[in-house]
Amino acid sequence: AQSVTQPDIHITVSEGASLELRCNYSYGATPYLFWYVQSPGQGLQLLLKYFSGDTLVQGIKGFEAEFKRSQSSFNLRKPSVHWSDAAEYFCAVGAPNQAGTALIFGKGTTLSVSS
Amino acid sequence: GAGVSQSPSNKVTEKGKDVELRCDPISGHTALYWYRQSLGQGLEFLIYFQGNSAPDKSGLPSDRFSAERTGGSVSTLTIQRTQQEDSAVYLCASSLRGGNEQYFGPGTRLTVT
Repeated sequence: AQSVTQPDIHITVSEGASLELRCNYSYGATPYLFWYVQSPGQGLQLLLKYFSGDTLVQGIKGFEAEFKRSQSSFNLRKPSVHWSDAAEYFCAVGAPNQAGTALIFGKGTTLSVSS
Repeated sequence: GAGVSQSPSNKVTEKGKDVELRCDPISGHTALYWYRQSLGQGLEFLIYFQGNSAPDKSGLPSDRFSAERTGGSVSTLTIQRTQQEDSAVYLCASSLRGGNEQYFGPGTRLTVT
């Protein structure tokens, strides 16, 4: 069955420290991969996406993610976390080369930033 | 430009009542999705519309849930005879035809008492 796993429910990082949020997926083929961020009371904002090509993708707000086919992973990273990054982060997969399919989401990782 | 808008932002209803949730997609986006976000379940797909094609209703949890999209734009999600387990945030998203990036609205928080 297709699924997305985010192993860490909650992570706390000091402001200025680096961040890595883990995402693993189970899919029949290499899916389209996404990271979304959700601040309290807000909808989801797309941070970055991977469709094909370069396995290191850059997104907004200084985030990047690396696709590793051998590990079925798409981990999100940021070199220096800011207090405003505190939010919930969702990894999602979509069917490749097939527009208009539902995304499958992980259960999310809540990021807290300590001063 | 304007993003996806949803109304109301919050809705409190009594068990057994019907509710309607509205979604206005981004102008020009022909694909529209409804998801439900609840504690313990994460984000679940409910229904998908693409242009004038028949909607994909495979995610609707029961026949109490229905949705329509008028004129290929605004969509309404209706929940009949609401139950407490329907309490959740209902998110709408839209994308361009053939697009794979979905843009989400702020959601409607539904509380069934």
